[in-house]
Amino acid sequence: KAGVTQTPRYLIKTRGQQVTLSCSPISGHRSVSWYQQTPGQGLQFLFEYFSETQRNKGNFPGRFSGRQFSNSRSEMNVSTLELGDSALYLCASSIGTSGGSETQYFGPGTRLLVL
Amino acid sequence: AQSVTQLGSHVSVSEGALVLLRCNYSSSVPPYLFWYVQYPNQGLQLLLKYTTGATLVKGINGFEAEFKKSETSFHLTKPSAHMSDAAEYFCAVSDTGFQKLVFGTGTRLLVSP
Repeated sequence: KAGVTQTPRYLIKTRGQQVTLSCSPISGHRSVSWYQQTPGQGLQFLFEYFSETQRNKGNFPGRFSGRQFSNSRSEMNVSTLELGDSALYLCASSIGTSGGSETQYFGPGTRLLVL
Repeated sequence: AQSVTQLGSHVSVSEGALVLLRCNYSSSVPPYLFWYVQYPNQGLQLLLKYTTGATLVKGINGFEAEFKKSETSFHLTKPSAHMSDAAEYFCAVSDTGFQKLVFGTGTRLLVSP
């Protein structure tokens, strides 16, 4: 069974630009969660999508948004990039029907550098 | 609100020595607890998890953890460290209702020959 895939793996942008990251979950998984990992703040939850609906959201500004498609693939978008948005963005998938006890399987991440 | 505290940002052991990585949690409801490992330039890999039932949980690569409600702890152990165990380890607690993990700050395990 293929794992979680994220594209692109690396990205360089400049301040003020916007960026879109993509995540394809494990086949059969309907929940996709996004996390931001930085040296200063660690791993922080961004949001979770299930069946094309945002089901939970972390404490990030509105510049961070996401969506999920009918095939469960998800994208996250960051508009008006700031230097502090430089991070590893991790996507995780799970079945999504059993609550917090489910295992989330993580992708390799997209490393975003904002210059 | 749930939170996780990992004591020690770095832990150094010799190959063959006991590995002990500490994790304490705060949760207003019975928690779901996880340990993940991250190798350089990679995502997170699940080592083990506690949901309900047996409090001693065995995971992959010889790791295990014990859920102690009275101490609000979920420490990770391995009897004998291997060089390949060198990585960063994250303890996480899950909201009972949703797929939202709250992570600790991580502990980098260094293994010397």
